[in-house]
Amino acid sequence: SQKIEQNSEALNIQEGKTATLTCNYTNYSPAYLQWYRQDPGRGPVFLLLIRENEKEKRKERLKVTFDTTLKQSLFHITASQPADSATYLCALDSPGGYNKLIFGAGTRLAVHP
Amino acid sequence: EPEVTQTPSHQVTQMGQEVILRCVPISNHLYFYWYRQILGQKVEFLVSFYNNEISEKSEIFDDQFSVERPDGSNFTLKIRSTKLEDSAMYFCASSENRGANTGELFFGEGSRLTVL
Repeated sequence: SQKIEQNSEALNIQEGKTATLTCNYTNYSPAYLQWYRQDPGRGPVFLLLIRENEKEKRKERLKVTFDTTLKQSLFHITASQPADSATYLCALDSPGGYNKLIFGAGTRLAVHP
Repeated sequence: EPEVTQTPSHQVTQMGQEVILRCVPISNHLYFYWYRQILGQKVEFLVSFYNNEISEKSEIFDDQFSVERPDGSNFTLKIRSTKLEDSAMYFCASSENRGANTGELFFGEGSRLTVL
């Protein structure tokens, strides 16, 4: 079955720096991959979706890359702010495309002033 | 901005009792889902629903679970006889489409279920 690995330890960075989060998967390559943000006690909030034939996707200060050879996605937040502090979840679809998403455990990001 | 709403926000129940969690998906969305998150663990898929029937369900979604869209707006998750291990945050989600064609999910804020 598909396994997703995200940095389990919290990522602490200084305000203004670029945060880079990693998502590795072990089995089949998904048709697309999504990134969500989750704040404590809240539901996940969609950030970006990248398809298997796309190398990179950007949205404002966010950038996602998808390397199907490495079975890896990188999620970057440039010019990070304390308000970016949250847990970031990587999610992959399962075969069949019914939006049966498999989520990673998430990486907690803390941006310090 | 349209949002998915869930009620109740928190429910405490005794083991063996029936629980119904309610959700109002975004109005023009066609695909509906339930996910759950046990405290400190991953978000896990339970079930997807489209065109008034279950599209897919996980191993967690056994005979104790059922879903229903009783009218044009509500989407419910019923747990017939709750167990201690059902304690979790249950998230409802909806999407306009599925897969890579705008398959982003919009999640509600969750219903926290505590089984005693």
